[in-house]
Amino acid sequence: GMPVEQNPPALSLYEGADSGLRCNFSTTMKSVQWFQQNHRGRLITLFYLAQGTKENGRLKSTFNSKERYSTLHIKDAQLEDSGTYFCAAVSSNTDKVVFGTGTRLQVSP
Amino acid sequence: AQTIHQWPVAEIKAVGSPLSLGCTIKGKSSPNLYWYWQATGGTLQQLFYSITVGQVESVVQLNLSASRPKDDQFILSTEKLLLSHSGFYLCAWSRTVSNERLFFGHGTKLSVL
Repeated sequence: GMPVEQNPPALSLYEGADSGLRCNFSTTMKSVQWFQQNHRGRLITLFYLAQGTKENGRLKSTFNSKERYSTLHIKDAQLEDSGTYFCAAVSSNTDKVVFGTGTRLQVSP
Repeated sequence: AQTIHQWPVAEIKAVGSPLSLGCTIKGKSSPNLYWYWQATGGTLQQLFYSITVGQVESVVQLNLSASRPKDDQFILSTEKLLLSHSGFYLCAWSRTVSNERLFFGHGTKLSVL
């Protein structure tokens, strides 16, 4: 199967809602990055994690290498959160970066 | 602070025409450099990487080539564009050889007609 499985593929939220995205890894990864891609295609780095949990404002991300997953939690969704979110993980075996398939998030008023 | 600049911002090209996309990194010596391609609505796929001047490794064969003529410059090119080359091209850099944190440029949107 795919080395990085990202869910859900698409997500619709109303402003103020909370939700989460998840990436499951088929092999051991040593780090993960989360990106938001805006409507212009620009990739904005949200988090880089080698382990544990990080928070930044309304966003929180967790990476568990042993359990082979990472999550991105969005609290109090805002219109500007709309875009496509990608996780990208580095394989412990190959040192290669693999991107998830993306989650298209639409936040509505 | 490091900056990464990609050019052009967008291109509309005819099938069979040549292409050259550029990427420059300032403020970091000997960066690892990468080219990524993204089909419309798709995920990112690594095309090439380079860890030093003059050395480029191909990851995916898409009838494209890459060169690193200077430490801070990475070029993606082809002599003959295909329709399938359309998409979004992103240049990125990282500090280490083991593909640690990636920093991306703003990308080039390519439309092949």
